[in-house]
Amino acid sequence: SQQGEEDPQALSIQEGENATMNCSYKTSINNLQWYRQNSGRGLVHLILIRSNEREKHSGRLRVTLDTSKKSSSLLITASRAADTASYFCATDGGGGSNYKLTFGKGTLLTVNP
Amino acid sequence: EAGVTQFPSHSVIEKGQTVTLRCDPISGHDNLYWYRRVMGKEIKFLLHFVKESKQDESGMPNNRFLAERTGGTYSTLKVQPAELEDSGVYFCASTSLGGTDTQYFGPGTRLTVL
Repeated sequence: SQQGEEDPQALSIQEGENATMNCSYKTSINNLQWYRQNSGRGLVHLILIRSNEREKHSGRLRVTLDTSKKSSSLLITASRAADTASYFCATDGGGGSNYKLTFGKGTLLTVNP
Repeated sequence: EAGVTQFPSHSVIEKGQTVTLRCDPISGHDNLYWYRRVMGKEIKFLLHFVKESKQDESGMPNNRFLAERTGGTYSTLKVQPAELEDSGVYFCASTSLGGTDTQYFGPGTRLTVL
């Protein structure tokens, strides 16, 4: 698998349900960030979790990070139709040029009203 | 505070022509990054500026791509001559501190080479 690879590739749920997306990576990281992209628009930053953190919350978002398994998950609770978008995780290795982000191909989330 | 802006939002050019994309980072952000997403593939890093200096240009595909950031403010990415495989969405991002902070992305420029 590639650095920052998301799973599943596509997810379809009903409004009100929770959505969980996973991300795996291969090399050591400094930070892991989750982004959202609505169709045809730019990337919106959702949350950043540092390598020494295990869990972080922001509104209806909950992100976990397991550095021993090199994986992260993004949970969106009580989903809304407006949450329909592609979700990407991105990792950086830290230090000088290693701040560049490595993205996965993303998870396409569809929330049906 | 204004976010990262990019211009144009969409550009359609013929193969062999030249195109220049512009990125205005968030004011005061010293770090500026260019990324690209080619159809069906993941978003990939192109290069990283710290102020006006190129910190890392390891992701630049070839010498048809030239990025500049004169004065350490806005940046341009020129593709000359453009090829069909250059089509995609070009994103710019900026950060404030030592690069460990959140990267804020612009809306992207969709480039179509015919």
